[in-house]
Amino acid sequence: NAGVMQNPRHLVRRRGQEARLRCSPMKGHSHVYWYRQLPEEGLKFMVYLQKENIIDESGMPKERFSAEFPKEGPSILRIQQVVRGDSAAYFCASSPAEGIGTEAFFGQGTRLTVV
Amino acid sequence: QKEVEQNSGPLSVPEGAIASLNCTYSDRGSQSFFWYRQYSGKSPELIMFIYSNGDKEDGRFTAQLNKASQYVSLLIRDSQPSDSATYLCAVGRNNFNKFYFGSGTKLNVKP
Repeated sequence: NAGVMQNPRHLVRRRGQEARLRCSPMKGHSHVYWYRQLPEEGLKFMVYLQKENIIDESGMPKERFSAEFPKEGPSILRIQQVVRGDSAAYFCASSPAEGIGTEAFFGQGTRLTVV
Repeated sequence: QKEVEQNSGPLSVPEGAIASLNCTYSDRGSQSFFWYRQYSGKSPELIMFIYSNGDKEDGRFTAQLNKASQYVSLLIRDSQPSDSATYLCAVGRNNFNKFYFGSGTKLNVKP
């Protein structure tokens, strides 16, 4: 039973390019969360998605960032026109269902470097 | 005010001692509480979760929850150098499993 899979593990983009980060949740998990971690800082919530729905995007920057979790395929976090400040580790987590007590499991993260 | 607050540390303890990590949260409606451990350059891994007031023990780890004080802690007994990591407190709300994370406390266990 594979865990949460994120790819790529490392991504280098030039300023102005687009970055696409993928997350495949654990089997049977229908809830996906994206977090960003800047160097030496904690995890910051970005967005919470269920299949085909964005439940909470209160942590997403208003511009350039978008996320989706289609009916088929992985969840995608898309960053358009990347800037140096976007350099961070982006972690995806998944959980099986709503309700108290369903913990989230994390993927290995994608480390984005903008040059 | 941050949703979840942790002392960033570093917290240094000698090998074999008890390490005490603390976390406070702002929303009284929070219902689930988690401790994750994150080694440098790695992803967070779940250590313990607790939902009810009181203590919950698992091996060398004890989680303590006081909802009245909006406080949750993690005790690590017989600390080992391999416990050296950043410990993240996470708080879950309502039924949507939206987790709020603290910025983590860095623990150093000295041999």
